Amino acid sequence: DTAVSQTPKYLVTQMGNDKSIKCEQNLGHDTMYWYKQDSKKFLKIMFSYNNKELIINETVPNRFSPKSPDKAHLNLHINSLELGDSAVYFCASSQAGQGKGTEAFFGQGTRLTVV
Amino acid sequence: KQEVTQIPAALSVPEGENLVLNCSFTDSAIYNLQWFRQDPGKGLTSLLLIQSSQREQTSGRLNASLDKSSGRSTLYIAASQPGDSATYLCAALGRTGTASKLTFGTGTRLQVTL
Repeated sequence: DTAVSQTPKYLVTQMGNDKSIKCEQNLGHDTMYWYKQDSKKFLKIMFSYNNKELIINETVPNRFSPKSPDKAHLNLHINSLELGDSAVYFCASSQAGQGKGTEAFFGQGTRLTVV
Repeated sequence: KQEVTQIPAALSVPEGENLVLNCSFTDSAIYNLQWFRQDPGKGLTSLLLIQSSQREQTSGRLNASLDKSSGRSTLYIAASQPGDSATYLCAALGRTGTASKLTFGTGTRLQVTL
């Protein structure tokens, strides 16, 4: 069983389109994240949700809108895609608990290419 | 603001060598530090997690140490193998407001040659 799974694995789309990436974790964790890995392979946090509540939003353009229907799912919707949005997006989860953290687990990533 | 740096950025060693990867972080108020491995085009695989109260963790040929006061962690790989070739990332879990956040280092790309 995959602990953190995200779909799709690859996404190629044209500029201006709207797309969504889905993420699910079966670890029972209360916190989920979206990270972006740029062309230089640097990983940077975008959003964090704890029990369906947005707790971190790292100055991401408002074209990016995360949604957490329950604590096992965190989806990322992107409007009006731009060339600069091309990157690998990773979903992750951990058990936060009073500000501390356990081991974080990552999905396999979604490689988004905007043409 | 937490900043995490890894040196060297790239490393090439012959099979069988022992090696050390370095990770430094600017804010010592961390909850834990985690080492990951990333193969090309793949996701992140967690290797070791060191809680802030711990000094080191071991898993097989891997040993990670943590010195919070100096803001440093090292990953020691014994008897390296070609299969160890990958990018190694360290990440510090710290507090931001009421939340916790993993801040990643820049990575060390390791190649182990035959």
